Amino acid sequence: EEQLAESGGGVVQPGGSLRLSCAASGFTFDDYAIHWVRQSPGKGLEWLSLIDWDGRRTFYANSVKGRFTISRDNSKNSVYLEMNNLRTEDTALYFCAKEEYCSSVKCDGRFDPWGQGTLVTVSS
Amino acid sequence: QSVLTQPPSVSAAPGQTVTISCSGSGSNIGNNYVSWYQQVPGAAPKLLIYDNYKRPSGISDRFSGSRSGTSATLGISGLQTGDEADYYCATWDSSLSEGVFGGGTKLTVL
Repeated sequence: EEQLAESGGGVVQPGGSLRLSCAASGFTFDDYAIHWVRQSPGKGLEWLSLIDWDGRRTFYANSVKGRFTISRDNSKNSVYLEMNNLRTEDTALYFCAKEEYCSSVKCDGRFDPWGQGTLVTVSS
Repeated sequence: QSVLTQPPSVSAAPGQTVTISCSGSGSNIGNNYVSWYQQVPGAAPKLLIYDNYKRPSGISDRFSGSRSGTSATLGISGLQTGDEADYYCATWDSSLSEGVFGGGTKLTVL
């Protein structure tokens, strides 16, 4: 069974940093791109970032570009999201999800499976 | 505001059929596959439909998807109280080089 598991969430002050991890199992990890998606309390899903299978291509939403960095370690079947200069509006449940297919120019936008999420709270 | 537009809420009685629309543009729905997700409170989203109309293994055939031009539609037939959830459409936007989601639609089964 394909599974993803996020970790690393917690409470951080505005301006602080946090590193989220996403551990994968049940599939050939280095064949697939991975997304990060978040959901603020009571709100909808917001796409944040994607890293392709070998880490050479990364993409970011404007809301996090320059503050968040996605990376992966295929030897550890893991993807990371380094979050800097955190704001109160970054408070959310953060999910990682596997992307089924990316070509050289685009991805399918097919998110499956998802992890259970890790909660990030930015508050003073 | 989301790149993809969904109605905030829909409702119908048990046994009836409901449709949820998702409107986009040529850079997203018009030229890329659409997927649909179901999210019940407290849980992660679950893939219902991919590649516009295909169902993953284990998803009931009561769920259907279609795409026409720059819009997509999720259909749910034979509504059950267990279908109450939030539903999201998603795709890739080739101009933005980003994944994009609809704002979500809350389904109430009356």
